Amino acid sequence: KNEVEQSPQNLTAQEGEFITINCSYSVGISALHWLQQHPGGGIVSLFMLSSGKKKHGRLIATINIQEKHSSLHITASHPRDSAVYICAVRRGGADGLTFGKGTHLIIQP
Amino acid sequence: DTAVSQTPKYLVTQMGNDKSIKCEQNLGHDTMYWYKQDSKKFLKIMFSYNNKELIINETVPNRFSPKSPDKAHLNLHINSLELGDSAVYFCASSSPEDLRFGPGTRLTVT
Repeated sequence: KNEVEQSPQNLTAQEGEFITINCSYSVGISALHWLQQHPGGGIVSLFMLSSGKKKHGRLIATINIQEKHSSLHITASHPRDSAVYICAVRRGGADGLTFGKGTHLIIQP
Repeated sequence: DTAVSQTPKYLVTQMGNDKSIKCEQNLGHDTMYWYKQDSKKFLKIMFSYNNKELIINETVPNRFSPKSPDKAHLNLHINSLELGDSAVYFCASSSPEDLRFGPGTRLTVT
């Protein structure tokens, strides 16, 4: 079983819908990242979380350390939000990230 | 002004060859990484390098070796390339508050 599990794997929604992507992990971590990868291939870090909640524009990320769970929410979704969203955790220090398999999101106009 | 750059963007080569991918960051980050993204788009850590400390993922074959001439560079050398090495390789760098990825290098081994 992967140390980082994401759901759903695929999600298609209509423009304007509220989107939630979930991530559960099974190891102790120092931080959790939400990443976005567009079809062109580039990877962008959207959020780095160690506790609580962060908001950036229409995106909100939350983490519950006790439950080892994080969610990424997109409000008022738009076709340009279509991408793969990847949850990744860092155990500590200079350790690299351990990744989930990603959620392929398509927002239809 | 590119934060993390990689060269080349595409690399096509034959089995058995030796190749290198270069990575540079201009962010002053202390830690650099190499990640591999396979054909199913799954990302996996290969190496992380921080203040001359190298952390190697135990599953990485010793044909792969990172070389860091200075804090801003972490190059990836691959010896005796195999078909299974075909993938996209991403360099990244981080500080305690920031994480950036390079654009990726698509390696195709024929």
